[in-house]
Amino acid sequence: NAGVMQNPRHLVRRRGQEARLRCSPVKGHSHVYWYRQLPEEGLKFMVYLQKENIIDESGMPKERFSAEFPKEGPSILRIQQVVRGDSAAYFCASSPHFGQGRTMSSYNEQFFGPGTRLTVL
Amino acid sequence: GNSVTQMEGPVTLSEEAFLTINCTYTATGYPSLFWYVQYPGEGLQLLLKATKADDKGSNKGFEATYRKETTSFHLEKGSVQVSDSAVYFCALDSGGGADGLTFGKGTHLIIQP
Repeated sequence: NAGVMQNPRHLVRRRGQEARLRCSPVKGHSHVYWYRQLPEEGLKFMVYLQKENIIDESGMPKERFSAEFPKEGPSILRIQQVVRGDSAAYFCASSPHFGQGRTMSSYNEQFFGPGTRLTVL
Repeated sequence: GNSVTQMEGPVTLSEEAFLTINCTYTATGYPSLFWYVQYPGEGLQLLLKATKADDKGSNKGFEATYRKETTSFHLEKGSVQVSDSAVYFCALDSGGGADGLTFGKGTHLIIQP
């Protein structure tokens, strides 16, 4: 019963290169979230995706960052022309379904992957 | 907007000591509240949760009670072990999950034998 898988676990890039981070959700989960954890900080929400749709990208930097969750295959977080400030741990989480409205008990437990630690030299 | 504030670390305790990690939140509506634990080099694991006021979440000897009147969700354990050493994150979900979880900055807990 595999949990959320992320690869690579560690990624080293030079400034200006591209970074591709992959996330395979729990089997049967159709919702994926990406978070970034900067050193000494908590996790910050970046983007929320369903299969083939971006639902909320309010936490994503406007430039150089993009995310997708295709019908088949893993979710991809792509960072173009990386800079040193992109060095962080990137975590993916998945959940089974979207809550219906904002009732007192509507929430979807998110299951987190082990993260990808990106280092930009 | 939503926010979570938790006590700064590191918190250093001796084995078998009593633990409290404070967490307060600001949110609209009826958030669900969580504590996650992150062991060195690993991802986050859900420790416990509470989805409505006065609920108590508990797991592995840890407890936290959802206090709407004080907007708090403090984490407690009666007797900590060395294996509890980790970073603990308080988080909230404002409902529906559309904007992800809002996390505190984390509290690094160090338990000395």
